[in-house]
Order: sequence, then structure tokens, then C-alpha cells
Amino acid sequence: ETGVTQTPRHLVMGMTNKKSLKCEQHLGHNAMYWYKQSAKKPLELMFVYSLEERVENNSVPSRFSPECPNSSHLFLHLHTLQPEDSALYLCASSHGTGRATEAFFGQGTRLTVV
Amino acid sequence: AQKITQTQPGMFVQEKEAVTLDCTYDTSDQSYGLFWYKQPSSGEMIFLIYQGSYDEQNATEGRYSLNFQKARKSANLVISASQLGDSAMYFCAMREGTNMNTGFQKLVFGTGTRLLVSP
Repeated sequence: ETGVTQTPRHLVMGMTNKKSLKCEQHLGHNAMYWYKQSAKKPLELMFVYSLEERVENNSVPSRFSPECPNSSHLFLHLHTLQPEDSALYLCASSHGTGRATEAFFGQGTRLTVV
Repeated sequence: AQKITQTQPGMFVQEKEAVTLDCTYDTSDQSYGLFWYKQPSSGEMIFLIYQGSYDEQNATEGRYSLNFQKARKSANLVISASQLGDSAMYFCAMREGTNMNTGFQKLVFGTGTRLLVSP
């Protein structure tokens, strides 16, 4: 059982829809991340929240809007997406300082924009 | 800029045999971390093993070992005694050294290697 849970697992939405992806972690971590995984491309880091403050935004279009209401929850709000935004969206979390602060990932949300 | 290169899009191995998945990296940082993740068809990225740039010994975790050759900038994953459940995508990733003490990390991933284990 994963410590990072993402819902929904699958989402199909039209280009005019508004939807939200949810991520929840029960590992006591203080950093959370959104990654995008497109076919045949490396994972791309989209956003990083550390201690509920956004510390990284990798030139992501404004149609993606993250929200981190507390250290256990992370949302990705979607609106007016494009077909090229279809991908697997992975949430991850990690904890603290030190050497081997590996990130733990959720199972992802498979998003299809039609 | 940092870069991870995985040159093997796909690998085949027979059950119970060992397999090596290649990973080379490019960085100007002196301090960095290298990770391997496994992604089964379910989508979840599962952490396998970590190697720090200052670690003198190669990391090992059960059937996984990391062949770290710093001068060649390679961090190959060795899976011993392959099992059918090892069939998955495998990703090599690197963490920027500048974030070692900030409580969060930026991971740069390679394009992955698909491993298929046959009976």
C-alpha cells in the first residue's frame, strides 16, 4: 500500500472543463511535488511545495494551478487544457534534510484531454 | 545543466539471470545523489536504491546493486536473480547537490529502460 494516494486514477476531460487532481500523503513528509510523464519523454518536474510554500514552478502554463492547503494534501487544478496535456501526472513527497531523502510517488492520474 | 542518459530503451533477461541497466549522467556539481526507480504498469514510481556522490562503496539493497563509477559518470543498476515481477520500466534519476540541505529535492530523470523478464 502506497503512502502517497492520488485521485482520480483516470480522468477524461474536454478542453473547456475544469477539474482537479488530488494527492494525499500520510508519511509525515514536508515537501510535495507534481511531475508530468508524457509518452517517450523523461518525467518533468512541474511544481514543488516545501512546508506548504511553493518553491519551484518550472515554467508551467497557467492552465495548471497547484494548491497546497496543508503538508498532507496537494491539488492540481486544471482548466482549458490542450490535447498535448494528456499524460500521467504523478505526485510525490519527501521529508527533511540529509542524504537519502528519496521521494515517494503515488500511482498517478492518467489524464486524457479530448 | 544536468542530464541523465539511459541508452537502452528495452532489455530482455531470462528468469534467475542477472541484468545490468545502464545510466550515465552529466553534472558540474560536486555533491549530488543518484536514484533508481521502478515503474510497473500500475504507474507508481517505486524507489529502489540510492548512491551519494561521496559514497565510497557501491550501494546495495537486496537483489539491487548500483555500479557507481564516478570518473566515468555512470551509475548502472544491477539486478541479480531476475524475477518475473521485475518486468517494468526502470528510471535513473539525479538530485541536484545544491538542494541537499533544503528539505526538498529536484530530480532529473532519464527516459527509462523497459525490462522484460521471461520464464
